[in-house]
Amino acid sequence: GESVGLHLPTLSVQEGDNSIINCAYSNSASDYFIWYKQESGKGPQFIIDIRSNMDKRQGQRVTVLLNKTVKHLSLQIAATQPGDSAVYFCAENIAGGTSYGKLTFGQGTILTVHP
Amino acid sequence: GAGVSQSPSNKVTEKGKDVELRCDPISGHTALYWYRQSLGQGLEFLIYFQGNSAPDKSGLPSDRFSAERTGGSVSTLTIQRTQQEDSAVYLCASSPQGLGEKLFFGSGTQLSVL
Repeated sequence: GESVGLHLPTLSVQEGDNSIINCAYSNSASDYFIWYKQESGKGPQFIIDIRSNMDKRQGQRVTVLLNKTVKHLSLQIAATQPGDSAVYFCAENIAGGTSYGKLTFGQGTILTVHP
Repeated sequence: GAGVSQSPSNKVTEKGKDVELRCDPISGHTALYWYRQSLGQGLEFLIYFQGNSAPDKSGLPSDRFSAERTGGSVSTLTIQRTQQEDSAVYLCASSPQGLGEKLFFGSGTQLSVL
């Protein structure tokens, strides 16, 4: 698995600030990437996705950037709100062989937004 | 239903007992996945079902774990002779086609093995 221990990276911001959450992926063959948000006691909720033929994609208040050269993914949240407080996971789809939605998840980042 | 439904939401069992966890995927979704999430960690792939194809069981941690999907819809994950290290949240997800697309997750079953 992708787990590296109990100490998840944390990001603490003030309400209204912009947040940037980073993720490094390991497999250069990955061609599909997703960001999920997980609130306490709930399953992961889809935020935004991007395919490897793009380097940027924007949604409502969120932007995902993909840098394939250094295998780095980031999620930018504009005007962060207290309701954005959650654990954020990046996930990658390992292509090759049978291409299907078997996602490999990163360890997660805890975002805390202070009013 | 509107989303992926899992039951029970919480399960407490004694070491050595068998447990069954249920997942109702979104209607019409052909692909179904089970993941496990230990406390404070990411999601670990367990098993994947796609239509009538043989399931991908490559993530099951031991032969005590098994899963089936009846009629291409409901799935049951069974853990035999549970151990304390099996304690985790078991998450089910489904997707329309299972071909490099986003997964829709249920709220999970919190399993506690005493």
